[in-house]
Amino acid sequence: DAKTTQPPSMDCAEGRAANLPCNHSTISGNEYVYWYRQIHSQGPQYIIHGLKNNETNEMASLIITEDRKSSTLILPHATLRDTAVYYCIVSVSGNTGKLIFGQGTTLQVKP
Amino acid sequence: GAVVSQHPSWVICKSGTSVKIECRSLDFQATTMFWYRQFPKQSLMLMATSNEGSKATYEQGVEKDKFLINHASLTLSTLTVTSAHPEDSSFYICSAKTITTGTSYNEQFFGPGTRLTVL
Repeated sequence: DAKTTQPPSMDCAEGRAANLPCNHSTISGNEYVYWYRQIHSQGPQYIIHGLKNNETNEMASLIITEDRKSSTLILPHATLRDTAVYYCIVSVSGNTGKLIFGQGTTLQVKP
Repeated sequence: GAVVSQHPSWVICKSGTSVKIECRSLDFQATTMFWYRQFPKQSLMLMATSNEGSKATYEQGVEKDKFLINHASLTLSTLTVTSAHPEDSSFYICSAKTITTGTSYNEQFFGPGTRLTVL
């Protein structure tokens, strides 16, 4: 079973920041937080990952709470092309780690 | 970024026939590949983990004799759905991990998926 809890759906206005929350209260010390998204009928796309510190890349920012029990993915300026299902996944590091997908959050960016 | 391809992108077959789906890592070598299945309006379900040169590890509830997985090289894994039935109709997605040594994360790259329809 997935180890994360996400709201099933969210709306965001185009050009505004989209903040997607994720709860992972049972995360272990060696587990990373990964975010992927899936646009309709395509394979998932990697967005970002982190362990303890906040992370930022060209796509998004990841804010992880100090106790690591929750995190927030931030899309700073959402566009219509960001409409997708966003998955928050926790997984161990290394070659044996598997990605177990939960139900994710369907983000609808509206004009 | 690393690219993973799947072939075919879609396939329609008759009930009782077998269908092979290929997953290739195009610009990197992958010691580990994963196969997922996704039904409409549902999330991805991990079916099996495939390691190059060894037998695949199947998730609980996945029939290994029905879903044959072969990972013969560092760039190719195949999934064969044997004696397919309409309930096997689904979106099949593979992912691949790069060879990593000493790294501390688990980035996987996903293929575009193969839509299987069994009549």
